[in-house]
Amino acid sequence: EPEVTQTPSHQVTQMGQEVILRCVPISNHLYFYWYRQILGQKVEFLVSFYNNEISEKSEIFDDQFSVERPDGSNFTLKIRSTKLEDSAMYFCASTDNSNQPQHFGDGTRLSIL
Amino acid sequence: AQSVSQHNHHVILSEAASLELGCNYSYGGTVNLFWYVQYPGQHLQLLLKYFSGDPLVKGIKGFEAEFIKSKFSFNLRKPSVQWSDTAEYFCAVLPIQGAQKLVFGQGTRLTINP
Repeated sequence: EPEVTQTPSHQVTQMGQEVILRCVPISNHLYFYWYRQILGQKVEFLVSFYNNEISEKSEIFDDQFSVERPDGSNFTLKIRSTKLEDSAMYFCASTDNSNQPQHFGDGTRLSIL
Repeated sequence: AQSVSQHNHHVILSEAASLELGCNYSYGGTVNLFWYVQYPGQHLQLLLKYFSGDPLVKGIKGFEAEFIKSKFSFNLRKPSVQWSDTAEYFCAVLPIQGAQKLVFGQGTRLTINP
């Protein structure tokens, strides 16, 4: 079964540094998402992306965050200047229809020091 | 604002016990409902979904869930749990209209003792 893949599995970064989290959605999917889960808290929606543009973003997704689909396969989340509170598990998801279940990657654990 | 509430933070059961995990949501419109499971060290996986029709839906691994519209609930059940069911379980809601983002409950950690 096709899977959403995310790299790296664990990223350790100094506060203030930029970080890029990478995702390869399932190949025929058109809708892409980033979620995050701070340790012990809910999985929270960050952003959705369709047709090469952001379709929805949460309050968390401020100017420090950006997403990009640089080519036909990758979907990236960039945090420009990381803060301690950005430490979380970041999940990428994709679907072929916005009303259908989203398929999740394994997540990237981001640790900000 | 939409919200999803899972009643139990941590449930501990013995093998062969019956399971029911509660989920209530707050949203005025039509929603699709999901249960996802996250086994230790693995990604979120779809357990089952409800879109329309029969409110009792069956998923993988013997799980089922019942949508009760009047109670805004979508409880997850399994008649006899196994040690391998140890995982974190997340209820999620997807509004049909408006913002098409999953709204998750806080998750329920299920521990099955052999």
